[in-house]
Amino acid sequence: KAGVTQTPRYLIKTRGQQVTLSCSPISGHRSVSWYQQTPGQGLQFLFEYFSETQRNKGNFPGRFSGRQFSNSRSEMNVSTLELGDSALYLCASRHGTGSLEQYFGPGTRLTVT
Amino acid sequence: SQQGEEDPQALSIQEGENATMNCSYKTSINNLQWYRQNSGRGLVHLILIRSNEREKHSGRLRVTLDTSKKSSSLLITASRAADTASYFCATDSGGSYIPTFGRGTSLIVHP
Repeated sequence: KAGVTQTPRYLIKTRGQQVTLSCSPISGHRSVSWYQQTPGQGLQFLFEYFSETQRNKGNFPGRFSGRQFSNSRSEMNVSTLELGDSALYLCASRHGTGSLEQYFGPGTRLTVT
Repeated sequence: SQQGEEDPQALSIQEGENATMNCSYKTSINNLQWYRQNSGRGLVHLILIRSNEREKHSGRLRVTLDTSKKSSSLLITASRAADTASYFCATDSGGSYIPTFGRGTSLIVHP
């Protein structure tokens, strides 16, 4: 099976802009989670989607949003970018919300200038 | 906020030596997992241990869990240069099965 794919891999944006990141899960996986990884805060959970519904949400401001499509692909949007949003954004998929093992994509490296 | 905290933060060893890293957590858990991350890439799942298990093996990996001490250890035997990576423990509790990650141990294995 193909692994989790994320696009784009690298992105440079200016403060105040918005950005959309995309994630395609492993075929058959219906749960997609998003994480933000920074040197200072480590891996922080953003949200999880299952069957097009947000099932869990981390402690991030409303500027961070996401959605999931009927084919389980997911997008994450960050509006009004701040310098502190510079991070590696990781997407992970699993078969269902009760599955424990997550499969991670390679990440999108976002740099905000 | 991090649930698990790995120790040490960094570990440097020679190829062939064993590497041990520890994870401590604060609240009761359902499961504990270990993941590996090569520089700037995605995480790879290594092993899962449930709260009612004490030890698990997978190839050169050995994981122990002591729920009374709220701690786990990951032992990599006969380390190879390819084991150079960051290692994270992740715990979940309650009903969401959303793992909370620690800050990781950076392992360097010198050839």
